[in-house]
Amino acid sequence: DTGVSQDPRHKITKRGQNVTFRCDPISEHNRLYWYRQTLGQGPEFLTYFQNEAQLEKSRLLSDRFSAERPKGSFSTLEIQRTEQGDSAMYLCASSLMGSSYNEQFFGPGTRLTVL
Amino acid sequence: AQSVSQHNHHVILSEAASLELGCNYSYGGTVNLFWYVQYPGQHLQLLLKYFSGDPLVKGIKGFEAEFIKSKFSFNLRKPSVQWSDTAEYFCAVNVGTGANNLFFGTGTRLTVIP
Repeated sequence: DTGVSQDPRHKITKRGQNVTFRCDPISEHNRLYWYRQTLGQGPEFLTYFQNEAQLEKSRLLSDRFSAERPKGSFSTLEIQRTEQGDSAMYLCASSLMGSSYNEQFFGPGTRLTVL
Repeated sequence: AQSVSQHNHHVILSEAASLELGCNYSYGGTVNLFWYVQYPGQHLQLLLKYFSGDPLVKGIKGFEAEFIKSKFSFNLRKPSVQWSDTAEYFCAVNVGTGANNLFFGTGTRLTVIP
């Protein structure tokens, strides 16, 4: 399978704990995106990388959230001191810069439950 | 702020019925428009997209959508739905040239009854 992969698929944690998610994009894709989706809502943009540079961050991305893409390949999203309101599906997508329409391909998501 | 509205939250149809899902966006400039589908237990997949040219675009599985600039709309249609079309459908907008992130609507859940 050469699609976008995310790990873990499910994470249950207690409030106050730190969690880290990983995203592996499609191998030739140089753009990577993180979105968050809560129940009954569409995905909401969190942040975007072009290669290793984080070029855009949403206001939704509080100081407790940090994302990295150190070598321009996989990316990690860390949430520190989790809160119950962080419970959501975290989606990763990738795209190829220079393609005619920048189509984003989504991974299966990591479902986070904060108890 | 940009927003995308999908007014139908849950649509229930019998097989062979025609489908139209509404999508309206609020942005006056250049937009790229998408419909994504999420089948039960699967990840988001692109159904179709509009960037320029013919405002009637055709996607996979017999879906089509029409961009009406004057109405800020991009409605999704299918003449005859199948049970396998049961899924959640999301409209999304990419704003401006060279823009990166997508703005999604809240989604419409389609249930097709065999």
